[in-house]
Amino acid sequence: DTAVSQTPKYLVTQMGNDKSIKCEQNLGHDTMYWYKQDSKKFLKIMFSYNNKELIINETVPNRFSPKSPDKAHLNLHINSLELGDSAVYFCASTRTGTEETQYFGPGTRLLVL
Amino acid sequence: KNEVEQSPQNLTAQEGEFITINCSYSVGISALHWLQQHPGGGIVSLFMLSSGKKKHGRLIATINIQEKHSSLHITASHPRDSAVYICAAGRDYKLSFGAGTTVTVRA
Repeated sequence: DTAVSQTPKYLVTQMGNDKSIKCEQNLGHDTMYWYKQDSKKFLKIMFSYNNKELIINETVPNRFSPKSPDKAHLNLHINSLELGDSAVYFCASTRTGTEETQYFGPGTRLLVL
Repeated sequence: KNEVEQSPQNLTAQEGEFITINCSYSVGISALHWLQQHPGGGIVSLFMLSSGKKKHGRLIATINIQEKHSSLHITASHPRDSAVYICAAGRDYKLSFGAGTTVTVRA
């Protein structure tokens, strides 16, 4: 039983394409996050959602659009992909807020050619 | 300058040695997280603490709120402890991450 799952695990695509990454958690958590890990392995928050509402949008280009259809899902759609978008994207969830243990998904490796 | 600084960047130890990783943060926090990222890429939460000290097996995490400093200790290190250890400062639905410490434990 995977607590936080992401699909796909790998994504190779051409510049200019549009792609989506899906995230689902079965922990009953209220808060979900998207993080980006760059080529130097540095993690940075992109978005956080609480009860389907956007709480944090950390100066991410508006080509990135998160969508939370319900508390268990947080998807990430990326328009007009650029080379610099190549990274590993992690989804995570917490019961509520950052005062709780974070549960991470396995990551999605995105390579833009 | 990053809000969260970790040291050292890299660390190599012999099996059985005591390891310490340090984390300093410059922002107010509600919780300090220690994460472990294995070579395969998966990230696991080790500790979440807002005061004092926590212990889990051979791992110990401490935090000094006044000094804005936390440490992660690994006692009796083992090659399976080889991983990247990441400190993260949490507040207001946001985690700010350190750059990570790559730990290699040699048999």
